[in-house]
Amino acid sequence: GAGVSQSPRYKVAKRGQDVALRCDPISGHVSLFWYQQALGQGPEFLTYFQNEAQLDKSGLPSDRFFAERPEGSVSTLKIQRTQQEDSAVYLCASSLEETRFNYGYTFGSGTRLTVV
Amino acid sequence: KQEVTQIPAALSVPEGENLVLNCSFTDSAIYNLQWFRQDPGKGLTSLLLIQSSQREQTSGRLNASLDKSSGRSTLYIAASQPGDSATYLCAGSVSGGSYIPTFGRGTSLIVHP
Repeated sequence: GAGVSQSPRYKVAKRGQDVALRCDPISGHVSLFWYQQALGQGPEFLTYFQNEAQLDKSGLPSDRFFAERPEGSVSTLKIQRTQQEDSAVYLCASSLEETRFNYGYTFGSGTRLTVV
Repeated sequence: KQEVTQIPAALSVPEGENLVLNCSFTDSAIYNLQWFRQDPGKGLTSLLLIQSSQREQTSGRLNASLDKSSGRSTLYIAASQPGDSATYLCAGSVSGGSYIPTFGRGTSLIVHP
């Protein structure tokens, strides 16, 4: 597609509920990133995929967070047993090549998650 | 761990002023540097990318520079307009690691008529 698409745009979850957030990167992009952005803060890195391989998941805040990209295109970020502190905007970005090459990053519009 | 600081945190100026937004890094081994704009409730829009071999980039009224020796980048906005009102974020990737970009907290800019 022309850009990075994220769905749903908004999600309200009851505490304890599981949620799944979807990211469709630009077609052919090798690198895919997930970031979490709390209100008034900059994006914080969660995890990075190079094609279908999850090369870095050091930013995932707990084992309740899980991400996958099984065919090297669409990615899903899953949060189990949501807590109020999970409320944030979840941003997905993609890049044409591996991170060590000098290509920029294109971001989606994000999914705003509110846990009540 | 790379830390990114953006100064000022907020800025309110009258239309027409020339502006300088600052971004500094604790690890000066910057590989590339990207400036983004974020409108309220929206995602990030890329403004300028400075690659590892470059020192600055220009697009219209925007100019971004990168000084690796001091670990600093500057975004210059000429003749500011109300439509420039947004949050401006910088993100840098560090050489030798995973090259994953680290963001600052942003500068919130308001340009009033």
